[in-house]
Amino acid sequence: EADIYQTPRYLVIGTGKKITLECSQTMGHDKMYWYQQDPGMELHLIHYSYGVNSTEKGDLSSESTVSRIRTEHFPLTLESARPSHTSQYLCASSGKRLAGADEQYFGPGTRLTVT
Amino acid sequence: QKEVEQNSGPLSVPEGAIASLNCTYSDRGSQSFFWYRQYSGKSPELIMSIYSNGDKEDGRFTAQLNKASQYVSLLIRDSQPSDSATYLCAVNRLGYQKVTFGTGTKLQVIP
Repeated sequence: EADIYQTPRYLVIGTGKKITLECSQTMGHDKMYWYQQDPGMELHLIHYSYGVNSTEKGDLSSESTVSRIRTEHFPLTLESARPSHTSQYLCASSGKRLAGADEQYFGPGTRLTVT
Repeated sequence: QKEVEQNSGPLSVPEGAIASLNCTYSDRGSQSFFWYRQYSGKSPELIMSIYSNGDKEDGRFTAQLNKASQYVSLLIRDSQPSDSATYLCAVNRLGYQKVTFGTGTKLQVIP
């Protein structure tokens, strides 16, 4: 069973506030990802990391930033929240099981509402 | 053309029937293929992985891969109402750092 955690699960916050969404995994996976998903819509990759001190922007432009100081921890920060940031944020991690394999395991998600 | 294409559905099947979900991909270099199930309001859950041409069975689920035709499918036998969810197809190319997800097919199993 995958062990990947996200906190908080739900967050309602006012415009202009700085927020950090936490993601931790205990599987020793090298790769971690952040996705944004609106209800009923597709997943959008916003950031990913393939190891400590390496981060990359994903396919969807995002005003958020990430850091990867420890293997198990991949927080996402919004410096100034706006209503357009209201969405579900999903963290995932993966590690190679076979050559070419990259099974991703998802955390429970953070539902962010910016008022 | 999208890298990974799925019919958005909804696909409606009666309880006990076989549900067939299809996915096509554009990158011939793709090596790894995954099916995820996502219940409404929940996060995606990995249900099947397949890497070689042919069929792979796991319980009521069978994944089928045809690299020559660039499609991968998921069959769900004896469909149950609890199988009602959105099914996401995902594809990865050898050596690439991230997978590409399709937009998902919504499955409704009618009791």
